[in-house]
Amino acid sequence: TQLLEQSPQFLSIQEGENLTVYCNSSSVFSSLQWYRQEPGEGPVLLVTVVTGGEVKKLKRLTFQFGDARKDSSLHITAAQPGDTGLYLCAGDGGYNKLIFGAGTRLAVHP
Amino acid sequence: KAGVTQTPRYLIKTRGQQVTLSCSPISGHRSVSWYQQTPGQGLQFLFEYFSETQRNKGNFPGRFSGRQFSNSRSEMNVSTLELGDSALYLCASSLDQGSDTQYFGPGTRLTVL
Repeated sequence: TQLLEQSPQFLSIQEGENLTVYCNSSSVFSSLQWYRQEPGEGPVLLVTVVTGGEVKKLKRLTFQFGDARKDSSLHITAAQPGDTGLYLCAGDGGYNKLIFGAGTRLAVHP
Repeated sequence: KAGVTQTPRYLIKTRGQQVTLSCSPISGHRSVSWYQQTPGQGLQFLFEYFSETQRNKGNFPGRFSGRQFSNSRSEMNVSTLELGDSALYLCASSLDQGSDTQYFGPGTRLTVL
């Protein structure tokens, strides 16, 4: 069974701080995706990482896929209140089945 | 291009009843996947349909079923509702089979009393 463990579960920080969210598995995934979900909405895709060792940057967000394609991280630099939300990692389980981590609930305070 | 739409957005039912939720994918998308999101279990995959065929199924009881129509719109049905079925039900559509970007709808919030 493919599982994704996400940590930390909760994160409460001040504006301007940096943070890292981790997503780990004992299984190899062909790709990993990161989503952000706000209350009352569905998850919105931030990035997809496919190649082991890949690093992708999206403004202040940096995503990394582990060399063995079993883990990934999301690093946010100088967090802003607008970054508040639920961050979810998801692995490709085949035939459009996504296997989600439990999520990291981030609160950024002004 | 319009996004994924789900109806209704909110629903209140009582135990033992059944419910049907609807999902209209992005125009041109042929795959629709359904997920259940609860505080305790997070997001869990229910099933996926492509060209009116169920190709993948999660680990949910037979009370949960779905179908897809020729226009790619999909419905899911839950029979004999239980309190534990209270959740946000999300559908996602993608362009084609295989691993492709999935776009999520806003979800249907189901409350079972």
